Amino acid sequence: EVQLVESGGGLVQPGRSLKLSCAASGFSYSHYVMAWVRQAPTKGLEWVASINTDGGNTYYRDSVKGRFTISRDNARNTLYLQIDSLRSEDTATYYCAKWDGGYFWGQGVMVTVSS
Amino acid sequence: DIQMTQSPASLSASLGETVSLECLASEGLFNSLAWYQQKPGKSPQLLISGGSRLQDGVPSRFSGRGSGTQYSLKISAIQPEDEGIYYCQQGYKYPLTFGSGTKLEIK
Repeated sequence: EVQLVESGGGLVQPGRSLKLSCAASGFSYSHYVMAWVRQAPTKGLEWVASINTDGGNTYYRDSVKGRFTISRDNARNTLYLQIDSLRSEDTATYYCAKWDGGYFWGQGVMVTVSS
Repeated sequence: DIQMTQSPASLSASLGETVSLECLASEGLFNSLAWYQQKPGKSPQLLISGGSRLQDGVPSRFSGRGSGTQYSLKISAIQPEDEGIYYCQQGYKYPLTFGSGTKLEIK
């Protein structure tokens, strides 16, 4: 069974940093493109970043370029999202997702940016 | 960026009714189109990939069709558990984009 378990969220002050992790199991992790997708409270879904299978190629939405860094450790079956210079508009549930023609999602982790 | 427009924004349907949700892309997707269902407080669930490929475990009353820029999700014989928000998403080009969703209420 595919499992994606996110961790690392919480309440953070604007301008601070946070690192999210996603532990993957139940599939050949190194064979799949992975992504982070977020959902602000009561809003729709917003793709944030993707990473290819070996980590050599990364893609970001414009609003997070230069602040967010997606990475992966294929030996540990883990996906990461380093978030720097947090803003209030980054407040959202962050989902780890596996791409297979569509996304399979983790349960999500909440990030709240507030002073 | 590819814009994804879903319609209607919301609809109310009776048990057993058949409904069709629409998704229009601003450029051709070559069937790289997925549909998701999201229930309150839950993660989205993948229903359809590749425009029409039903995912394992998804009831056969769900079906997807379309090509180019126009896609649809049909739900036949609606059940109470089908209530939720349905999103389409293009996987053709970065940045990947989602529609704003269709909220389905069961009368």
